[in-house]
Amino acid sequence: AQKITQTQPGMFVQEKEAVTLDCTYDTSDPSYGLFWYKQPSSGEMIFLIYQGSYDQQNATEGRYSLNFQKARKSANLVISASQLGDSAMYFCAMRDVMDSSYKLIFGSGTRLLVRP
Amino acid sequence: DTAVSQTPKYLVTQMGNDKSIKCEQNLGHDTMYWYKQDSKKFLKIMFSYNNKELIINETVPNRFSPKSPDKAHLNLHINSLELGDSAVYFCASSGQPSNIQYFGAGTRLSVL
Repeated sequence: AQKITQTQPGMFVQEKEAVTLDCTYDTSDPSYGLFWYKQPSSGEMIFLIYQGSYDQQNATEGRYSLNFQKARKSANLVISASQLGDSAMYFCAMRDVMDSSYKLIFGSGTRLLVRP
Repeated sequence: DTAVSQTPKYLVTQMGNDKSIKCEQNLGHDTMYWYKQDSKKFLKIMFSYNNKELIINETVPNRFSPKSPDKAHLNLHINSLELGDSAVYFCASSGQPSNIQYFGAGTRLSVL
């Protein structure tokens, strides 16, 4: 069965510094996708970044990058130059490409607080 | 323009009542979903619809009935509401080729 683990319930980072949010996953399927979402205090779920299991390069989107280590089954999110607006819950999620439902399996989330 | 919109944003109701949550997407996506986020922030899939057809129903009680009148809409009707139904319900949609899921703003349901 697929599983996503986020071991950091909460993290602090100083404004303008970089921070890494951990995510490990477990699947027996060779083809899958990994996602990160941000949930600010206002409650909406915002898509940040996607990594396919066969992608050769790590995904990047602006200040977000995904440190994908396939052998370790980890997909850590790196946020560079943290801003106060980055304070939020962050969820890692996975989708099995062969699953016709396309459902996402979510981790338990990491609450990030950016200090001024 | 909001890509995935759901209404209402807040819903407060009494136990035993019947309520509906509406969802619409203007992204031209084929697949729509309902997720439930509990009080501990854990998100779990409830339903997935592709081209108006039900794809998955993840052990959700029969009191929950999704309805998809067309590809752009997926509504959630809940009968005989129970205290344990209190949660935030998210609608999402995805399409080819990326299959990235875009979420609505959520509906916070409180059952008293």
